[in-house]
Amino acid sequence: QSVLTQPPSVSAAPGQKVTISCSGSSSNIGDNYVSWYQQFPGRAPKLLIYDNNKRPSGIPDRFTGSKSGTSATLGITGLQTGDEADYYCGTWDSSVSAGGVFGGGTKLTVL
Amino acid sequence: DVHLLESGGGLVQPGGSLRLSCAASGFTFSSYAMSWVRQAPGKGLEWVSGLSGSGGSTYYADSVKGRFTISRDNSKNTLYLQINSLRADDTATYFCAKDKSWVVVASFDYWGRGTLVTVSS
Repeated sequence: QSVLTQPPSVSAAPGQKVTISCSGSSSNIGDNYVSWYQQFPGRAPKLLIYDNNKRPSGIPDRFTGSKSGTSATLGITGLQTGDEADYYCGTWDSSVSAGGVFGGGTKLTVL
Repeated sequence: DVHLLESGGGLVQPGGSLRLSCAASGFTFSSYAMSWVRQAPGKGLEWVSGLSGSGGSTYYADSVKGRFTISRDNSKNTLYLQINSLRADDTATYFCAKDKSWVVVASFDYWGRGTLVTVSS
């Protein structure tokens, strides 16, 4: 059971837009910045979004992030077959048991 | 270019120990917090442990507290994870990850390829 809640799967057609939600609590998302990662099978995760809505160098602006209260959202526009991967949200949890936390991951299928 | 290279994984019996290492290059190692993140076969990411750039602040997931010890040698640009009292549910690929900050904020901009730890008799 992950601390952050994501839908297990989402799907959309090429060229369309998809959003992936990430729900947490006041001690994690509500109090800290959110990051998003993309992971292909057998590969290491890759940072897509940090500080809620910033993109590292080289990440296309098709990927966007937002945060409101204790939830965050990853948006992907102009879907490509190469976007088919697992996506994870992550942040710091400032509770008594302070530590990093991730969502359970969302499998994106580009139909 | 930033490079993180994990080593030390392998097959170990329940109750055994391993020491994982992560050799870092391409950035000022002592200026950034580092973490270990694991992924069990077919499962999601689980943050395991992190420490600040100086190594003075350390954090652990409840699932490993008391069994795992994170450390770093800034003179060798190397991160370590000592794992003791291994259990079957510790079986996973262990990734070394660089934080974007000197303190642990769990925002990881670079990851190693991972090292597989298998706990089985």
